[in-house]
Amino acid sequence: GAVVSQHPSRVICKSGTSVKIECRSLDFQATTMFWYRQFPKQSLMLMATSNEGSKATYEQGVEKDKFLINHASLTLSTLTVTSAHPEDSSFYICSARRLGGEKLFFGSGTQLSVL
Amino acid sequence: AQTVTQSQPEMSVQEAETVTLSCTYDTSESDYYLFWYKQPPSRQMILVIRQEAYKQQNATENRFSVNFQKAAKSFSLKISDSQLGDAAMYFCAYRSPTIQGAQKLVFGQGTRLTINP
Repeated sequence: GAVVSQHPSRVICKSGTSVKIECRSLDFQATTMFWYRQFPKQSLMLMATSNEGSKATYEQGVEKDKFLINHASLTLSTLTVTSAHPEDSSFYICSARRLGGEKLFFGSGTQLSVL
Repeated sequence: AQTVTQSQPEMSVQEAETVTLSCTYDTSESDYYLFWYKQPPSRQMILVIRQEAYKQQNATENRFSVNFQKAAKSFSLKISDSQLGDAAMYFCAYRSPTIQGAQKLVFGQGTRLTINP
């Protein structure tokens, strides 16, 4: 089956620093990747849709300058949380859609803790 | 905008029994997809079952089946012969087929399912 690798699985950083999270499709090409955020005991909220070679589409209320998304290749999308603050602490999950396919495959998530 | 509602924050069932998780949604689209995802303590999202709105037949995957009522915009998940490994958070999700929708998923609030041995 298709595998989406998300790295790191857990990161702790100081307030004001930037953190990069990677989402890789290991055995397929992903034209579209999605980034979700999940607060404790809550649902997944879509942050942005990332298409290879073009700018990401952000959901309403998500600061694009705060959450930088890059989808430079068909197998890699990155989410950079810039100038992180404690309120950015959350679980971030990516998912990827295979080129020409319909199914979505999820990464294992990244727990971000900002001190 | 589409919304998905799961009105049961928590459910519990005895091992080997059957449990039904509820989900309702709101949409003006006639064609769409509905999903149930499972999120165990590992937090890995696992697809349980999927239903295309244009199909009248309810989807079934082994012990998992759905009751899809399009007119009522209801999409419940039935788990038969519950097993300890079924314990997890279950999310109902909606996906638009339109290009504009970009196949993004809209999730419900989730239902935490506990299996009692």
